[in-house]
Amino acid sequence: AQSVTQLDSHVSVSEGTPVLLRCNYSSSYSPSLFWYVQHPNKGLQLLLKYTSAATLVKGINGFEAEFKKSETSFHLTKPSAHMSDAAEYFCVVSPNDYKLSFGAGTTVTVRA
Amino acid sequence: DTGVSQNPRHKITKRGQNVTFRCDPISEHNRLYWYRQTLGQGPEFLTYFQNEAQLEKSRLLSDRFSAERPKGSFSTLEIQRTEQGDSAMYLCASSDGTGMNTEAFFGQGTRLTVV
Repeated sequence: AQSVTQLDSHVSVSEGTPVLLRCNYSSSYSPSLFWYVQHPNKGLQLLLKYTSAATLVKGINGFEAEFKKSETSFHLTKPSAHMSDAAEYFCVVSPNDYKLSFGAGTTVTVRA
Repeated sequence: DTGVSQNPRHKITKRGQNVTFRCDPISEHNRLYWYRQTLGQGPEFLTYFQNEAQLEKSRLLSDRFSAERPKGSFSTLEIQRTEQGDSAMYLCASSDGTGMNTEAFFGQGTRLTVV
C-alpha cells in the first residue's frame, strides 16, 4: 500500500524566510505525488504534482518540491514566506489514477 | 463560480437522524469523489463515480452510508441513523478523468455535527 508521512505537524516561520515542509512516502513503485493547500473556509487547492517527469517540480505561488527516490522524500519549499501562506498543507500520494491518499497535514503559521 | 459546489455548508443533526448532502461537480467532469476529513487529519477517500457508475467504495463507508450520482451529474451522500462518530467535514471533488492523475478540484465541504 502507498502512504505518506508528514514529519512536522506544525511549522512556524517569519515572513520573508524560507519554508520547508517535509514528506516521506512509502510505495512499491514510482508513485504520483502531490501537495495540496487548504486555507480556512476554502476548498483544497493543488499546489503541484510529480508524475515521473522532472524531479524538481514547480508549483503555484512560488512553491516547489523535489522528488528524491533514494530518500523516498518529496519535501515542499518556498524561498520566502508570505503572510498569505498561512494554511494547512497536505502531502498526497496516488496509488492509481483516481484515489488520493493524504498525509495528516502540516499547519503553517507565518509571523510578521 | 464554476467550481465544485457543496450544500449545505454546515449541518447540525441529532443522533439517529438521517442527513443528505449534495455535490455539484464542475460541469464537464465525469469523475466525482467523496472524502471525509476529521479534525486534525487529512481527508480519507470514501467513494468515487465515473459518470453514474459507483466504481469503488472504501471500507469506511459503512452500510449506513449511501452515495448516488443519477445521470452522472450531481451526487448525493446520505447517512442514515447518524452517530456522533460521523461528525466530520465531508468533501466532494471532481476531475475530468481523461488521463492519469488529472487534477481533482475540491469543494469547500459540508461540516456535519452530530449531537
